[in-house]
Amino acid sequence: TQLLEQSPQFLSIQEGENLTVYCNSSSVFSSLQWYRQEPGEGPVLLVTVVTGGEVKKLKRLTFQFGDARKDSSLHITAAQPGDTGLYLCAGEKNNDMRFGAGTRLTVKP
Amino acid sequence: DVKVTQSSRYLVKRTGEKVFLECVQDMDHENMFWYRQDPGLGLRLIYFSYDVKMKEKGDIPEGYSVSREKKERFSLILESASTNQTSMYLCASRVYGSNQPQHFGDGTRLSIL
Repeated sequence: TQLLEQSPQFLSIQEGENLTVYCNSSSVFSSLQWYRQEPGEGPVLLVTVVTGGEVKKLKRLTFQFGDARKDSSLHITAAQPGDTGLYLCAGEKNNDMRFGAGTRLTVKP
Repeated sequence: DVKVTQSSRYLVKRTGEKVFLECVQDMDHENMFWYRQDPGLGLRLIYFSYDVKMKEKGDIPEGYSVSREKKERFSLILESASTNQTSMYLCASRVYGSNQPQHFGDGTRLSIL
């Protein structure tokens, strides 16, 4: 059983569409991080959210940390083929970090 | 920029062999980690190290050991490789402290025949 459940597991959309992926847990985290991993590479950090209810924007990407600090979402507006990749969330508590299984996003031109 | 370098991108070994995976980071980070990544299971923590000569078991340490003799280098050892250890192995490092990002290498795809 994963400590962090990510959904959907796979997502295939057309360029220009909007999408949201989710990261849920029954545990409370001190912070939550989102990473993107492209084929043949290691994950790269996109954002860290720390405060319950926090919203961070990174160009077309909007990240939200749940009020109770148990869940998070990533919304992409007007997806582009360059957004294709594996999106991983990672929750930290007590200096211990655990990753979800990821959402594999494909954006078709 | 932080650079985490894993010694091999691809590695093929035989069952029963002793396998060494090497990881070097150039930013003087205290913490280093070894994960394996399998489809549908995400990243699972094998071992981590808070500092030189320190090591802690992660979630799936069985069949693995680690060595951290120098701060910049963290080695993963498969004592007697088995086919169920075929996987992608990722090394990461980060500076000590809460909420710090992990910096990953590009991974080693290991096949055990």
